[in-house]
Amino acid sequence: DAKTTQPTSMDCAEGRAANLPCNHSTISGNEYVYWYRQIHSQGPQYIIHGLKNNETNEMASLIITEDRKSSTLILPHATLRDTAVYYCIVRAENNAGNMLTFGGGTRLMVKP
Amino acid sequence: NAGVTQTPKFQVLKTGQSMTLQCAQDMNHEYMSWYRQDPGMGLRLIHYSVGAGITDQGEVPNGYNVSRSTTEDFPLRLLSAAPSQTSVYFCASRIHRVSNEQFFGPGTRLTVL
Repeated sequence: DAKTTQPTSMDCAEGRAANLPCNHSTISGNEYVYWYRQIHSQGPQYIIHGLKNNETNEMASLIITEDRKSSTLILPHATLRDTAVYYCIVRAENNAGNMLTFGGGTRLMVKP
Repeated sequence: NAGVTQTPKFQVLKTGQSMTLQCAQDMNHEYMSWYRQDPGMGLRLIHYSVGAGITDQGEVPNGYNVSRSTTEDFPLRLLSAAPSQTSVYFCASRIHRVSNEQFFGPGTRLTVL
């Protein structure tokens, strides 16, 4: 699976959009981009995933560049409860065991 | 549905002791896995299972055993605990190969003295 690079930490004001970047310059054509988050002392939680088109669900939007070498997770109106570590993961559908490889993630702090 | 459940929530062991971390899911998921999380290292895959009776090693399998006798349960065994196994352990499941969402349990915080 391709490696990802994320900033270690970011701050965001409550009510504002939080834009979390991820670089995955070695991504392969069959690899998806996944985002999970982990709130303190809890297990990780799935947010969204995409292949090459932009995606939106009730939690967030995912913007993937045309060359697929980077992506941005957007939380449109961040709340204090969105404070968490956000993981960007790249994974192929047919990888061994179909399991996720987590890196260090971005620690997002939403401030009042 | 209870989702993915893990027991115990906390455990303290002495070096050399053995124990089993329990994981169960009631969603009839085929795939289950165990991760450990250490400060600054994200989550690392220990073992995984693609179905009852089938298990395989992940990134950091040494010192751990698993079995999958039923679809619901996927216990993780530490045969001889070491201080290096002090960590938070997460169990996860996913419905099948083409499913994209992985469900995680609440975690077990293990300390080995």
